[in-house]
Amino acid sequence: QVQLQESGPGLERPSETLSLTCTVSGGSISDYYWSWIRQPPGKGLEWIGNIHYTGSTNYNPSLKSRVTISVDTSKNQFSLKLSSVTAADTAVYYCARGTTVMAPWDYWGQGTLVTVSS
Amino acid sequence: QSALTQPRSVSGSPGQSVTISCTGTSSDVGGYKYVSWYQQHPGKAPKLMIYDVSKRPSGVPDRFSGSKSGNTASLTISGLQAEDEADYYCCSYAGSYTYWVFGGGTKLTVL
Repeated sequence: QVQLQESGPGLERPSETLSLTCTVSGGSISDYYWSWIRQPPGKGLEWIGNIHYTGSTNYNPSLKSRVTISVDTSKNQFSLKLSSVTAADTAVYYCARGTTVMAPWDYWGQGTLVTVSS
Repeated sequence: QSALTQPRSVSGSPGQSVTISCTGTSSDVGGYKYVSWYQQHPGKAPKLMIYDVSKRPSGVPDRFSGSKSGNTASLTISGLQAEDEADYYCCSYAGSYTYWVFGGGTKLTVL
């Protein structure tokens, strides 16, 4: 059974860079697309971007200038960096798996809350 | 404001059927067969319920069904059960620039 687990700081200061890692267990990170999706408290879902195990990335145009997603196949992990954060970036951040670039997300992490506050 | 429009809430009694709509444009819902629906209980991660407009993943009850007409997709839940009470989100592929857009979510209350 594939499992995803997000990890990283729960608090970031404004203007800093948010960094999260998703560790995949129970299966290989190869042959899939891996996404980051976020949800502000009490609000809806927003796709941030994805990465193929080969390193090819796609980003939400509204966040593209601030987002970097990378993959480490040797550790079965992929990561998110979001720069110049503000309070509007406060959200639960989920990592999720898609079987193709146009496939839905069939496995999700439990999510991790990141709060941006001074 | 979300790219796709969903009703904020719907309700139904146990055993009844409810339908949740998801309206987009020809650039997303109307243009692709890649519409999916997610169920989210409070404090939990979303769960895939429907993909490719009308397909059900293994393990999802056949009480859940999906359809699409033009720029509007729909999720129908028949034989409502108490455990169906949750938030439901639609999602559509929107091309190789925007990629994925979500609806604002619909809160389903089982009366």
